[in-house]
Amino acid sequence: GAGVSQTPSNKVTEKGKYVELRCDPISGHTALYWYRQSLGQGPEFLIYFQGTGAADDSGLPNDRFFAVRPEGSVSTLKIQRTERGDSAVYLCASSSEVGRGYTFGSGTRLTVV
Amino acid sequence: AQSVTQLGSHVSVSEGALVLLRCNYSSSVPPYLFWYVQYPNQGLQLLLKYTTGATLVKGINGFEAEFKKSETSFHLTKPSAHMSDAAEYFCAVSATGGGNKLTFGTGTQLKVEL
Repeated sequence: GAGVSQTPSNKVTEKGKYVELRCDPISGHTALYWYRQSLGQGPEFLIYFQGTGAADDSGLPNDRFFAVRPEGSVSTLKIQRTERGDSAVYLCASSSEVGRGYTFGSGTRLTVV
Repeated sequence: AQSVTQLGSHVSVSEGALVLLRCNYSSSVPPYLFWYVQYPNQGLQLLLKYTTGATLVKGINGFEAEFKKSETSFHLTKPSAHMSDAAEYFCAVSATGGGNKLTFGTGTQLKVEL
């Protein structure tokens, strides 16, 4: 597609529920990144995929967070047993070449109530 | 490890005045440096980047930044502010040789007044 697409744009869920956030990167971009942006903060790295594999998942805060990219294109960020502290904007980005900067999607605003 | 410090969480300028947003970085290896802009309820848009070569880089919308290794700085400037420049600006750093994980500063909110 023309840009990075994230769905849904907004998600409200109850504490303890499971959520999935989807990212559709720019066609042909092999690198895909997930970041989390809390209110008043800069984005924080979560995980990076090169192709289908997670090349760096050092930013995932705990084992409730998991991400997949089974066919090397669309990625899904999965959060189990959501907590109110998980409320944030989750940003996805893709890149065709390391070091050239990313193209970000508009994000999914997750609110856990 | 890399880190970024953005001095001034809020900056206010008059329309037509110089814009200067400060960014200092820390990196154990030669860095890649980026500036992103974020408009309300939108994703981040790349303004400009430094990877190698010329230390003065020009970006979109009339912005430019200069990489100063001796000062570990990458300040963002624009000669004449426009109302449409009002947004939040983020400086980010990544390591060369990987260049995968961006470390962002906490952002500077730019306000442009008439």
